[in-house]
Amino acid sequence: KNEVEQSPQNLTAQEGEFITINCSYSVGISALHWLQQHPGGGIVSLFMLSSGKKKHGRLIATINIQEKHSSLHITASHPRDSAVYICAVPPNTGNQFYFGTGTSLTVIP
Amino acid sequence: DAGVTQSPTHLIKTRGQQVTLRCSPKSGHDTVSWYQQALGQGPQFIFQYYEEEERQRGNFPDRFSGHQFPNYSSELNVNALLLGDSALYLCASSLTSGRYLAKNIQYFGAGTRLSVL
Repeated sequence: KNEVEQSPQNLTAQEGEFITINCSYSVGISALHWLQQHPGGGIVSLFMLSSGKKKHGRLIATINIQEKHSSLHITASHPRDSAVYICAVPPNTGNQFYFGTGTSLTVIP
Repeated sequence: DAGVTQSPTHLIKTRGQQVTLRCSPKSGHDTVSWYQQALGQGPQFIFQYYEEEERQRGNFPDRFSGHQFPNYSSELNVNALLLGDSALYLCASSLTSGRYLAKNIQYFGAGTRLSVL
């Protein structure tokens, strides 16, 4: 069983749609990361959050530590949002990060 | 301020060969982690280096080894390459000392794409 589970694995949306990507984890954590990976591989950190909600532009991330669940929302999606979105958690014990397998998002004009 | 830099960006090797990948951490960071990302998968932890020593290791064979230099830069070495070693290798840097949550913040490089033929 993976420590981090994401859904959906693949997502295709029309430009302008509201998008939600979900992440559930099984380890105890103090923070969770949402990462964006464009074709070619480079990873960009979008959010690190430990409680509640964070907003950056059209991106919103929420987390419920008790339920071990986080969501990433994209409002008014745009083709340039097309990328793989990865949920990552640094567990309270140990030094490594655990990653979800990613959600591949394609936004069609 | 340069972020995490990795070299080379792309590499092609044949089975049985050895490869060395390099990573320079973000300025001020003292810890380097290496990850392997197979196509369509999330990154898998290989190992982490701090104070020039391997601090933690994932489930990878001894063919995977590393090194950290006094300037905190790091190398990943893979011996006796297999076809299955073809992947994107990501380096991430962080700061172990300092603020409580500092260790939770990792900055990623763009990766080295290794193809084994």
